[in-house]
Amino acid sequence: ILNVEQSPQSLHVQEGDSTNFTCSFPSSNFYALHWYRWETAKSPEALFVMTLNGDEKKKGRISATLNTKEGYSYLYIKGSQPEDSATYLCASPLRAGTALIFGKGTTLSVSS
Amino acid sequence: EAQVTQNPRYLITVTGKKLTVTCSQNMNHEYMSWYRQDPGLGLRQIYYSMNVEVTDKGDVPEGYKVSRKEKRNFPLILESPSPNQTSLYFCASSPTASGNTIYFGEGSWLTVV
Repeated sequence: ILNVEQSPQSLHVQEGDSTNFTCSFPSSNFYALHWYRWETAKSPEALFVMTLNGDEKKKGRISATLNTKEGYSYLYIKGSQPEDSATYLCASPLRAGTALIFGKGTTLSVSS
Repeated sequence: EAQVTQNPRYLITVTGKKLTVTCSQNMNHEYMSWYRQDPGLGLRQIYYSMNVEVTDKGDVPEGYKVSRKEKRNFPLILESPSPNQTSLYFCASSPTASGNTIYFGEGSWLTVV
């Protein structure tokens, strides 16, 4: 993988459902993996910055895991709420000290 | 309050009329960058700056210029705007290029007619 890719592109769930989506990134020269949450009409806000293989981070109902050897990260949302509706972006640099490459995002819509 | 401030937030301009979008951060960050966001294309980097007087092209630099004369400011210059530069622009800053959280400005909606 030479780019940062996210799947699915969009996702629609019901309130209370748990969901997850994927970010794939180049595993060679791995340095860091970022997750951002982007609500409509607002600026992207950082969720996690992850650097260690096997790392798991949590913020409330949102958590993320990281596998640097195979080049993927999962973002999980437990018990989705309508306010979780947003686009979730992941980003990774191609190597240390270079600019972040962003994926195209996964847009989550949660219905009440 | 730590923030990245960009202006204007909304602008409609005509083709060929030079414009500048300002960006300022108050966190003493070394790294600053500009992105544009277009439907289906995600965030694409236009230019970035590792430090004062150091700027580099990102993925889509054509039609844009930047300058970094002081640490806190990183203006984006469109010398001769064209309709394909109609987009949502974000300025961002970070202590370093890739290992730290990036802080985004609120975005500038630019329409070129």
